[in-house]
Amino acid sequence: LAKTTQPISMDSYEGQEVNITCSHNNIATNDYITWYQQFPSQGPRFIIQGYKTKVTNEVASLFIPADRKSSTLSLPRVSLSDTAVYYCLVVPYTGTASKLTFGTGTRLQVTL
Amino acid sequence: NAGVMQNPRHLVRRRGQEARLRCSPMKGHSHVYWYRQLPEEGLKFMVYLQKENIIDESGMPKERFSAEFPKEGPSILRIQQVVRGDSAAYFCASSPPLAGDRDTQYFGPGTRLTVL
Repeated sequence: LAKTTQPISMDSYEGQEVNITCSHNNIATNDYITWYQQFPSQGPRFIIQGYKTKVTNEVASLFIPADRKSSTLSLPRVSLSDTAVYYCLVVPYTGTASKLTFGTGTRLQVTL
Repeated sequence: NAGVMQNPRHLVRRRGQEARLRCSPMKGHSHVYWYRQLPEEGLKFMVYLQKENIIDESGMPKERFSAEFPKEGPSILRIQQVVRGDSAAYFCASSPPLAGDRDTQYFGPGTRLTVL
């Protein structure tokens, strides 16, 4: 299982773009990159998933370079409500449902 | 469509008592996962169940912990003879019947267990 490394914490001001980079040097060919968000006292919530290049949805963008050894979650114009822990996960595609492996995540603090 | 429901949200037990945590998956979902989260740490997988079957229990301690997902009713995580080290937040997640591992898991709000 590919191990992920991401910064422990980040700080940002409201209205800025935030980029959180995750390293997954030993990612396998059939692995997908998935990001979850967790607010205090709540369960994680799926944000975005990708395999390569760029994926965008209404919440975030995910950039994955050609070698796929890292990925960057981009949050445009963050607000105070984006303060949360963000988890980068590598999910192997085996065709069946399986467990998720969480690291310690990146704690994002957004202030005025 | 209601999300994943967990109850109770908070549970206090004394050492040696039993704790029962319940999880009702999203409507139409037949895959249930239990995770445990200690303070300032990420979630750790415990067990994955489908209706009436345990698929993967590799993360669950061999003693005192058990899980079930009966044909009818919620999934239950049972901890017997609780110890202080069992104090944690326990999260349940669910995914749809034909879930592949690319499918999103939907998490409940968690049960916070405190062992006195």
